Amino acid sequence: QSVLTQPPSVSAAPGQKVTISCSGSSSNIGNNFVSWFQQLPGTAPKLLIYENNKRPSGIPDRFSGSKSGTSATLGITGLQTGDEADYYCGTWDSSLSCWVFGGGTKLTVL
Amino acid sequence: QVQLQESGPGLVKPSETLSLTCTVSGYSISNFYYWGWIRQPPGKGLEWIGNIYHGGRTSYNPSLKSRVTISLDTSKNQFSLKLTSVTAADTAVYYCARGRSVGGDCDFWGQGTLVTVSS
Repeated sequence: QSVLTQPPSVSAAPGQKVTISCSGSSSNIGNNFVSWFQQLPGTAPKLLIYENNKRPSGIPDRFSGSKSGTSATLGITGLQTGDEADYYCGTWDSSLSCWVFGGGTKLTVL
Repeated sequence: QVQLQESGPGLVKPSETLSLTCTVSGYSISNFYYWGWIRQPPGKGLEWIGNIYHGGRTSYNPSLKSRVTISLDTSKNQFSLKLTSVTAADTAVYYCARGRSVGGDCDFWGQGTLVTVSS
């Protein structure tokens, strides 16, 4: 069972917007930066968002991140079939002294 | 462009030591950043193993700390993972990655290598 809680799956139609939640506690999300990763089938994870809401070079602005209290959210607008992937949140847990990942959310673009 | 490539045995016997090497190109591991390992059991989620700072300081997942060693070889621009006393539960795809911080916010990843623990 993951320290960070994500919904197992979400779905939306092409062109629509979807949000993926990541819930934690004061020892992790509440006091540390959150990152988001995209893992396309059969490939390595890719950093989408770091420090809650910053995008690495090359990541389109269709992807956004936000944090409020002990929860974080990844938003994806203008959904494309190529966005179908597993999405993971991650952050440092100060109590565990360990980086923790959420359990992952499978995005289906209908 | 920074590139990372894992190498090592794809099959390890139970109770033995898993050893992997990550070769970095396009960036000197002596300069900056953290260099780490993350694994993913088949069909499951990601687990942070640990990392090493360019100066040599290490951080490990407490659940694996007693069995893990990560080290740097700056002369070869490589870093390595050793995991002792492996069991079937250590079967996973192992990724090496460059970390922006002591945690797992990694901006460049290797393609991953599957290590199976079986006799």
